Amino acid sequence: DAGVIQSPRHEVTEMGQEVTLRCKPISGHNSLFWYRQTMMRGLELLIYFNNNVPIDDSGMPEDRFSAKMPNASFSTLKIQPSEPRDSAVYFCASSPRGRGYGYTFGSGTRLTVV
Amino acid sequence: DAKTTQPTSMDCAEGRAANLPCNHSTISGNEYVYWYRQIHSQGPQYIIHGLKNNETNEMASLIITEDRKSSTLILPHATLRDTAVYYCIVRSRQGGSEKLVFGKGTKLTVNP
Repeated sequence: DAGVIQSPRHEVTEMGQEVTLRCKPISGHNSLFWYRQTMMRGLELLIYFNNNVPIDDSGMPEDRFSAKMPNASFSTLKIQPSEPRDSAVYFCASSPRGRGYGYTFGSGTRLTVV
Repeated sequence: DAKTTQPTSMDCAEGRAANLPCNHSTISGNEYVYWYRQIHSQGPQYIIHGLKNNETNEMASLIITEDRKSSTLILPHATLRDTAVYYCIVRSRQGGSEKLVFGKGTKLTVNP
């Protein structure tokens, strides 16, 4: 089992550019989560999906952020346009639905917006 | 959501037991206590969870008080690789939204 796979591992972009982060969850996991981590705010839940359907996006900071899950094996988090304050580590996690103990996190994408 | 309170940091000597406390005085009857840890620069890792009984697995033990208002995570023989931030989380489930909300956690440093 390769675990949750995120790409890219590192992304440096200029302010105003579009950024797309990618996630491949563990096969068979029904739930997928996107988190953001900064020193100031810690780990924040941005959005989560059950069976490819967005359930709770209350953590998405602004309309500049959007997330999709076109199928059970792929999700994207897009920021357009990016701003320096979006610099953070973005984690994707998946779990079998209904199991809070089953979260498996990816290695994260470190985003730097200059 | 039931909130949790953890010490900001703790130290432990290598080979000794590390006991990490967590207060969750507003926990409701059907909420579980989960523990995760995050080693520097990595994604959080699940450790253990429980409802009201004590639990043990290959990584740790979880002791929950009878009134469920607090719990303790025990790493029986801490190693340097256990240095991490440990998160105690009470599972929130509202209207079908099943979240794990992370607080600031406890920074555990295991010293040689």
